[in-house]
Amino acid sequence: KNEVEQSPQNLTAQEGEFITINCSYSVGISALHWLQQHPGGGIVSLFMLSSGKKKHGRLIATINIQEKHSSLHITASHPRDSAVYICAVRSRGDGATNKLIFGTGTLLAVQP
Amino acid sequence: NAGVTQTPKFRVLKTGQSMTLLCAQDMNHEYMYWYRQDPGMGLRLIHYSVGEGTTAKGEVPDGYNVSRLKKQNFLLGLESAAPSQTSVYFCASSSGQGAFNYGYTFGSGTRLTVV
Repeated sequence: KNEVEQSPQNLTAQEGEFITINCSYSVGISALHWLQQHPGGGIVSLFMLSSGKKKHGRLIATINIQEKHSSLHITASHPRDSAVYICAVRSRGDGATNKLIFGTGTLLAVQP
Repeated sequence: NAGVTQTPKFRVLKTGQSMTLLCAQDMNHEYMYWYRQDPGMGLRLIHYSVGEGTTAKGEVPDGYNVSRLKKQNFLLGLESAAPSQTSVYFCASSSGQGAFNYGYTFGSGTRLTVV
């Protein structure tokens, strides 16, 4: 079983819909990252969080440390949001190296 | 622009050939990493460095070597390429231990095909 699990693996939405992508992890962590990767493109960091909630534009990330779960929400989705969204965690034991453990990603397609 | 620069962006190698991937960062980050990305799998750590002159093995180090002679550069070498090393390679950097917001910056990736 992977230490970081994402759901769903694939998601198709209509433009304007509210989207939720989930991430569950099995290790104790000190930080969680949400990353975005466009097809054939590089990886961009969206959020890093260790508690609570962060918001940037139409993107919201939340984390529940007790339940070992995080969600990424996209409000008023747009075709340009189509990408792979990746969850990654830094385990408590890796604070001296900042190594990350990655989920396999969620492929999001937003149709106009 | 500040960030992580990887070269080359694409490469095709024949089995047994060697090559070096270069990663350069201009953010004065202490830590640097090489990951590989394969279909259906999360990124996996090949090697990493926590400072100039240091390197360490990650999850999948076999068949790769690295060097960090200068703080801003992290080189990944393939001595004798194999088809199993066909992948997309990402370099990343982060600020060091103790930083409140250590952040993570990724390069744009190198798509390597070994035939």
